[in-house]
Amino acid sequence: DSGVTQTPKHLITATGQRVTLRCSPRSGDLSVYWYQQSLDQGLQFLIHYYNGEERAKGNILERFSAQQFPDLHSELNLSSLELGDSALYFCASSPPGVTGAFFGQGTRLTVV
Amino acid sequence: ILNVEQSPQSLHVQEGDSTNFTCSFPSSNFYALHWYRWETAKSPEALFVMTLNGDEKKKGRISATLNTKEGYSYLYIKGSQPEDSATYLCAFRPRSNDYKLSFGAGTTVTVRA
Repeated sequence: DSGVTQTPKHLITATGQRVTLRCSPRSGDLSVYWYQQSLDQGLQFLIHYYNGEERAKGNILERFSAQQFPDLHSELNLSSLELGDSALYFCASSPPGVTGAFFGQGTRLTVV
Repeated sequence: ILNVEQSPQSLHVQEGDSTNFTCSFPSSNFYALHWYRWETAKSPEALFVMTLNGDEKKKGRISATLNTKEGYSYLYIKGSQPEDSATYLCAFRPRSNDYKLSFGAGTTVTVRA
């Protein structure tokens, strides 16, 4: 158990809908990262938050948004969902210092 | 986003053979280099944290070396086994206020029995 909690584990929704994925980082970790793994794709970086502030954006679609709250948990909002958004979404957190990132178990999103 | 490159993108290895692959990262402002092992449908699992030029780390049949001056790290698998099949990710952390991690795209290793 990495200490990073993602909910829900599985999500099935229809095209055009909006969903929210939640991530609770390890206690004390200020950084939260979101990644997407689509079929046959590697780990695609979406966005990085540090202590509530957005620090870096990757290949994140305009239909997607994220935020990190004062208690450091983060939410990834996906709207106007398309079939191609079906993927495994990972959240990771890391503390300051040399320690690396700890990954959650992922949320598997299926858009039908 | 800092440019972290891994090569090759994929490789196939016969069981019992040894193999290695590369992670390249910016050589300036180095803080740490991480290696992860990622099996399909599971979350990435940390293998090594490397911080010093010349570092060598070992875990069973897997080892890694680090050259911060030229900006590369090698991961070696000795006597590959089918259970070594996975994607191996490296992540570079520069010295910065927010300790941002930049991941490479990974090297996918398939070990054939």
